Amino acid sequence: NAGVTQTPKFRVLKTGQSMTLLCAQDMNHEYMYWYRQDPGMGLRLIHYSVGEGTTAKGEVPDGYNVSRLKKQNFLLGLESAAPSQTSVYFCASSYPRSGGVTETQYFGPGTRLLVL
Amino acid sequence: KNQVEQSPQSLIILEGKNCTLQCNYTVSPFSNLRWYKQDTGRGPVSLTIMTFSENTKSNGRYTATLDADTKQSSLHITASQLSDSASYICVVPTYAGNNRKLIWGLGTSLAVNP
Repeated sequence: NAGVTQTPKFRVLKTGQSMTLLCAQDMNHEYMYWYRQDPGMGLRLIHYSVGEGTTAKGEVPDGYNVSRLKKQNFLLGLESAAPSQTSVYFCASSYPRSGGVTETQYFGPGTRLLVL
Repeated sequence: KNQVEQSPQSLIILEGKNCTLQCNYTVSPFSNLRWYKQDTGRGPVSLTIMTFSENTKSNGRYTATLDADTKQSSLHITASQLSDSASYICVVPTYAGNNRKLIWGLGTSLAVNP
């Protein structure tokens, strides 16, 4: 099993350009997440999905859109990139949580995005 | 305010030595706390989860403790190895009705030198 994969690994964009980050998981997980990680800040949730065809906003959704057309894929789109979106983006997936225990999230290797 | 604070921010130790990383939280009500290890250039990987009723849990050379009264957790690494060099992050969930939010700490960056 590949687990969680992300493409691309690294990308440089100019301000105003658009791009899509792809996340794929082969663990049949229901839940998928997009985070960004910046120096001096903890992981911040951008958007998440609790199942195919459903998405929801996280803490920092502005400037991003997502889609989950297939259970195994979760796409993150930047319509008009800004320098503030320079970051490392992580995708994660998990089974639905049971009871009061937080589920284990399985992370991809990350996408490093530089917006000039 | 729900917060998760980790200390120290960074730590350098020699291979073979032990170390302890701290995580203090102000989340209430508390249900569980998870430790992740993040190697440089990789995504976080779960090490262990501590629920409200657990005091100590071991995973190989990693031992996590939890004191729910003082709202503190520690991660003890025994006989450190070069491969332990990583960032260690603790995360605690908060709940508002049916909505859950994970509060991620900033992590402790550990460097194990030969």
